[in-house]
Amino acid sequence: AQSVTQPDIHITVSEGASLELRCNYSYGATPYLFWYVQSPGQGLQLLLKYFSGDTLVQGIKGFEAEFKRSQSSFNLRKPSVHWSDAAEYFCAVAQFQGAQKLVFGQGTRLTINP
Amino acid sequence: DVKVTQSSRYLVKRTGEKVFLECVQDMDHENMFWYRQDPGLGLRLIYFSYDVKMKEKGDIPEGYSVSREKKERFSLILESASTNQTSMYLCASSLAEGEQYFGPGTRLTVT
Repeated sequence: AQSVTQPDIHITVSEGASLELRCNYSYGATPYLFWYVQSPGQGLQLLLKYFSGDTLVQGIKGFEAEFKRSQSSFNLRKPSVHWSDAAEYFCAVAQFQGAQKLVFGQGTRLTINP
Repeated sequence: DVKVTQSSRYLVKRTGEKVFLECVQDMDHENMFWYRQDPGLGLRLIYFSYDVKMKEKGDIPEGYSVSREKKERFSLILESASTNQTSMYLCASSLAEGEQYFGPGTRLTVT
């Protein structure tokens, strides 16, 4: 069965610093991969997705992610974080079973120091 | 603009009550999903539906049921609420092979 691991439960970075959130997946074929962000008290918003093609994917809010098949990873990056990026981030892999289900990682909570 | 709405943001119910959580999407999406979100566990799929009157169990269906009588509406039912069902419940919808769009969530407390 597919699974997603986000090794970091909580990360703290300073405003203006670079960010990398890790995501590892387990999937037999070429995966469909997603990163979602959840601000406090809100639902999830899609940041970016990878289906095929270029392994470096650009998303909203200045985020990007790189698919590395050899490492089964899909890490999320941002060159310079803003205080508004404080949120919880979820990586997910699609699983097809009648519909395209998503299997989510445990989430990484990002705190920004001023 | 894409919109998924959930009937309540906060809900407090007593143990043993029957609880209905409603979700409506205005995007004509085929698929709809119910998740629960708990700290440290991420989102776990309870049930999903890929067509009207069709439903499939997710990873944690025990204690829950669902109803989809119309394409735009997907209801989650807790037949007899228990304290271990205290959680954040998120509804989502999607096209056949597209990303999922999420509602704002319902924080349910069962006392």
